[in-house]
Amino acid sequence: GQNIDQPTEMTATEGAIVQINCTYQTSGFNGLFWYQQHAGEAPTFLSYNVLDGLEEKGRFSSFLSRSKGYSYLLLKELQMKDSASYLCAAPTDGAAGNKLTFGGGTRVLVKP
Amino acid sequence: DTAVSQTPKYLVTQMGNDKSIKCEQNLGHDTMYWYKQDSKKFLKIMFSYNNKELIINETVPNRFSPKSPDKAHLNLHINSLELGDSAVYFCASSQERWSGELFFGEGSRLTVL
Repeated sequence: GQNIDQPTEMTATEGAIVQINCTYQTSGFNGLFWYQQHAGEAPTFLSYNVLDGLEEKGRFSSFLSRSKGYSYLLLKELQMKDSASYLCAAPTDGAAGNKLTFGGGTRVLVKP
Repeated sequence: DTAVSQTPKYLVTQMGNDKSIKCEQNLGHDTMYWYKQDSKKFLKIMFSYNNKELIINETVPNRFSPKSPDKAHLNLHINSLELGDSAVYFCASSQERWSGELFFGEGSRLTVL
């Protein structure tokens, strides 16, 4: 089965950096995903890590350590529009397809 | 052009009623999903279809019945609605069944009174 843990909420200041941690326990490993969800909106894909290390995409970076079952999402130069929930997710191979299991999400509040 | 669209966006109904939510994707994807997001914001998979074939069916009461008339459409019918069914239901699609990059619809907020 899957078990995904991430903090419930974080607060940061505009222009700062925030790191959202995620720990996971999976019966098999097929990568680690991060999604962003603004309040009242649909989740949108941010990043995917399947190998150890850091993947950078503009202001957002995601890190993975498979041996530690650990990932983080780094948000740099925070903007007010980055206030959202950030969902860590891991797929489990089913017999017929991937099932994405999501963590409860980390709500990030960016203050001026 | 909306990639994944679902209707209606809001549903308010009485316990015991039956309701349907429709979903369409214009991305040419093979795989579609229904996810449920409860009040605690956990997103949980309910069903997945690949080219009209049901491939994932989580432990969901059989009051919930998905239907995929073609690979661009996935509908969800719910019979005998209960209070606990109140949630936001998200439709999603992915290019193929093994992809974890999902494209979500805007969600359908169901409130059962």
